[in-house]
Amino acid sequence: SQQGEEDPQALSIQEGENATMNCSYKTSINNLQWYRQNSGRGLVHLILIRSNEREKHSGRLRVTLDTSKKSSSLLITASRAADTASYFCATPNYGQNFVFGPGTRLSVLP
Amino acid sequence: DSGVTQTPKHLITATGQRVTLRCSPRSGDLSVYWYQQSLDQGLQFLIQYYNGEERAKGNILERFSAQQFPDLHSELNLSSLELGDSALYFCASSVVGESGELFFGEGSRLTVL
Repeated sequence: SQQGEEDPQALSIQEGENATMNCSYKTSINNLQWYRQNSGRGLVHLILIRSNEREKHSGRLRVTLDTSKKSSSLLITASRAADTASYFCATPNYGQNFVFGPGTRLSVLP
Repeated sequence: DSGVTQTPKHLITATGQRVTLRCSPRSGDLSVYWYQQSLDQGLQFLIQYYNGEERAKGNILERFSAQQFPDLHSELNLSSLELGDSALYFCASSVVGESGELFFGEGSRLTVL
């Protein structure tokens, strides 16, 4: 089945630095989504990028998609302590549901 | 607030018991998804319903069942509970299928003792 795999598993940075997380997947997709989860809370949708898009921005978030490499990256610029969370990529699975990767745990230190 | 409501928020029960988790999707969303999140397994897709009909099935155990009612709320029934069933169970809803974003509830934390 299609599955996103985030990298790194954990990332620790200082406030103000940029954080980059990567996602690799296995088969063709029509879109890829990024979600955020604060500890023990529900996932929150951040951004959706379609297969015909290469880059998308939303506030301090920048997502890229490289369909030839089957990979995506999420960049958070000027990180804040409040960005501390787990970040997941999600890919459609046979058009019926979404498959989530294991996530990247981001810690932003004040 | 995502608009998706899950109850109960926390549940502690014993092995062998049966519990029911409830989910009310966002107003107008026809699709409901159930996911299980545990420390060692990550976020696992269990089952999806669309407008009352089962649409897709994932790694859902035979001891688990779900349904979506005419008012679109959904229930996940877990029976013959085992210690390993302890996890966060999330419900999510969307207007359509894979072309839209998922809106997650805050989850039901199940602890099986």
